[in-house]
Order: sequence, then structure tokens, then C-alpha cells
Amino acid sequence: DVKVTQSSRYLVKRTGEKVFLECVQDMDHENMFWYRQDPGLGLRLIYFSYDVKMKEKGDIPEGYSVSREKKERFSLILESASTNQTSMYLCASSTGTSGAYSTDTQYFGPGTRLTVL
Amino acid sequence: QKEVEQNSGPLSVPEGAIASLNCTYSDRGSQSFFWYRQYSGKSPELIMSIYSNGDKEDGRFTAQLNKASQYVSLLIRDSQPSDSATYLCAGPAGGTSYGKLTFGQGTILTVHP
Repeated sequence: DVKVTQSSRYLVKRTGEKVFLECVQDMDHENMFWYRQDPGLGLRLIYFSYDVKMKEKGDIPEGYSVSREKKERFSLILESASTNQTSMYLCASSTGTSGAYSTDTQYFGPGTRLTVL
Repeated sequence: QKEVEQNSGPLSVPEGAIASLNCTYSDRGSQSFFWYRQYSGKSPELIMSIYSNGDKEDGRFTAQLNKASQYVSLLIRDSQPSDSATYLCAGPAGGTSYGKLTFGQGTILTVHP
């Protein structure tokens, strides 16, 4: 079974803090993704990575950065947390065996519910 | 225009009935689609994937893909209260996607006893 884990299920931070969300997958997947999910807005892609140290912006990258130093780990960084970043953050991974035009199944972690006060 | 649209819902069906969930897509070149189920407060979990025209059955679930009409559907037979969840349709983001998916807004299904 594919396993995607996230460092925290619930997190409370203060405005202006630097926040790190960690995601680890154990299936040697090439692709990893960070989404946020908000009521009425659905799943929105923040950043994704298709290889170690390779990353691309998704639909809403502003206020976020990412790091992928090892294949299994993909970190989302909120440089200076703001209240509008309160959300459910979901990490996902997929095999990426088809390369640039892949349409592989994405497997999600349990999510981190972040509250910024 | 959103690449994947789920216009139906919320949907309420009695226990034992067939629940029908629908999704349309705009990219005629899209080849594969996915249905995820998401319980309240939980993350999405894959329940079906479909890559070719026609029907694909897995237990009580049937996914249907009609490329000519550009729609995807999910049928749940003998619906159970435990099927109550939000169902997300997803398709490829298109182009050089590196596995990116585009998700519909979701359809909330309630199965009442």
C-alpha cells in the first residue's frame, strides 16, 4: 500500500511565524504535490515537484515555497504565516512513470489542518 | 472555464438506491479520469480510475467514460449510509502536466436509512 504521511494533523501558529509542513512518501514516487482545500473553493494546487530539487508553481503559490532535497520528502513552507492561510493542507504523490504527460493516480496524505491566529 | 466540472449536488438518496454522480470535462484530449471519495475531515481516497471509453465496474461502483460527449459518471449501486461523503472527479491538467490533476468542486452525497 502507498503510504503518504504528513508531520502534523493539527497545527496552530501565530501571524508572521515561519511554518514548515512536512510530507513523506514511501513508494519511491517521482511526483509530489501540495494542495490546500477550503470550503466552496475545492482543491487548489500550491506547488508540485516532478523530481528531486525540481519544483513548479501551481495555481496559488503566493506566500508559499517548497523544498525537495530527497525523493521521499516534500516540504511546504509558509514564509510569514497570515490568517488567510488558515486551511486544510494536503500532500499527494504519484509515480510519474509516464514523465511529462503522465496521468497517474495521486495518493493523498491525511492532511494538516493549519490555523493561523 | 474550469477543466473539470461537477454540477450536480448535493445529492440525497435512500439506502439501497442507485446514486449517480456526474462530471464533464473540457479538454477533448484527456484520456484518464479518477473518482475520489472524501469523508468529512479526512483526505481524498481513490475509489475508481477509468482510462478508456465505456464502463468499468468494481463491486458496487461503476465508472463510465463517454469521450464523445466529454462526461464521466460514477454509479453507486445499493447505496449505504457509509457511502455518505463528498465525491471528487479528477482529470489530467493537460499539456506538460507531470501528473497534475484538475479536480471538480465535488458532489456531496447523503444516503439516508
